[in-house]
Amino acid sequence: GAVVSQHPSRVICKSGTSVKIECRSLDFQATTMFWYRQFPKQSLMLMATSNEGSKATYEQGVEKDKFLINHASLTLSTLTVTSAHPEDSSFYICSARDHSGLYNEQFFGPGTRLTVL
Amino acid sequence: GESVGLHLPTLSVQEGDNSIINCAYSNSASDYFIWYKQESGKGPQFIIDIRSNMDKRQGQRVTVLLNKTVKHLSLQIAATQPGDSAVYFCAEKLERDDKIIFGKGTRLHILP
Repeated sequence: GAVVSQHPSRVICKSGTSVKIECRSLDFQATTMFWYRQFPKQSLMLMATSNEGSKATYEQGVEKDKFLINHASLTLSTLTVTSAHPEDSSFYICSARDHSGLYNEQFFGPGTRLTVL
Repeated sequence: GESVGLHLPTLSVQEGDNSIINCAYSNSASDYFIWYKQESGKGPQFIIDIRSNMDKRQGQRVTVLLNKTVKHLSLQIAATQPGDSAVYFCAEKLERDDKIIFGKGTRLHILP
């Protein structure tokens, strides 16, 4: 199956700093990628839909100025958590949709654990 | 048996027995459903899917049942193995839409 990678897998940062997380589709082109956040013992919550070459679409309650999304190429989307605070500590997961696939499947990355001190 | 913790319910099953994980979905307009398995510290892994024009679909050791009348989905795992220990999420979407919406999840615990 198609592979989606995330970098870094873990990051620890100080409160007030910004952190960038990368999501890459390794063997397919993804015009659409998605960013999820997962708090401990909870489900995945969709944050935003990232479209290549256009602005991201954010879900209700997600601050677009705090979670900056850039989808500059067909294989890369980035999520930047700006001015991170301890409450932003979470597991961030991306997924990418393979539009060329038979069933337009979505493939999930391995996640990035963000800890804000 | 099943217990409900603070956030994730847990289903404890004896190794070798069959597991049944249930899910209630929210949108009656959803027409595509997916079950995912998530191991600790990893991203979700696709298990099986079903479209709304079906009420049952079988895979290898897994079966998904869909009851649209009561908006209920279930995942049956045959002959549960230690490697099946994980959190299982049901998810729903509209086929015309890209967004996958996850349900609450159930932790499957295998007893030796």
